[in-house]
Amino acid sequence: DVKVTQSSRYLVKRTGEKVFLECVQDMDHENMFWYRQDPGLGLRLIYFSYDVKMKEKGDIPEGYSVSREKKERFSLILESASTNQTSMYLCASSLLLSGTSGGYEQYFGPGTRLTVT
Amino acid sequence: KNQVEQSPQSLIILEGKNCTLQCNYTVSPFSNLRWYKQDTGRGPVSLTIMTFSENTKSNGRYTATLDADTKQSSLHITASQLSDSASYICVVSGGPNTGFQKLVFGTGTRLLVSP
Repeated sequence: DVKVTQSSRYLVKRTGEKVFLECVQDMDHENMFWYRQDPGLGLRLIYFSYDVKMKEKGDIPEGYSVSREKKERFSLILESASTNQTSMYLCASSLLLSGTSGGYEQYFGPGTRLTVT
Repeated sequence: KNQVEQSPQSLIILEGKNCTLQCNYTVSPFSNLRWYKQDTGRGPVSLTIMTFSENTKSNGRYTATLDADTKQSSLHITASQLSDSASYICVVSGGPNTGFQKLVFGTGTRLLVSP
């Protein structure tokens, strides 16, 4: 079974703090993703990485950065947390589907609910 | 604009009853469509994935249909159980058939199965 783990289930931080969210996958997946999920908005892609040390901006990268030093680990960094970054953060990793018209199955971690006060 | 719209926004049904959730999309080009189940406070878990050529796919009591001509999908849940209470998210993958594909997420239907 694919397993994606996230370092914390719940996190409370103060405005201006630097925040690290860690994600680890154990299936040797090339691709890893960070999303945030807010009520009424669905999941929105923050950043993704298709290889070690490689990263690409998603739809809402402002205020975030990422780090991928090892294949199994993808970190999301909030350099200076703000209240509008209070959200559920979901990490995912992907597998290339075979025998289909392409695409990949994404496996999600349990999520980190971050509150910035 | 690439969008995925789901209806209803929320639904309450009695245990044992069937229900159908709807998904309309405008994502183009289309590659595949997925349904995910997300329990409260947890990450989404994949239920089905359908490509352009598939018009129905089952996973136990869950059956997804796809009409690529009208750009509509449905998820039918048979003989609902209390554990089916969750949000169901429709996700459409667009773009080229190789390499990275952008996923467009619906906002989900929140289902509550009542005893």
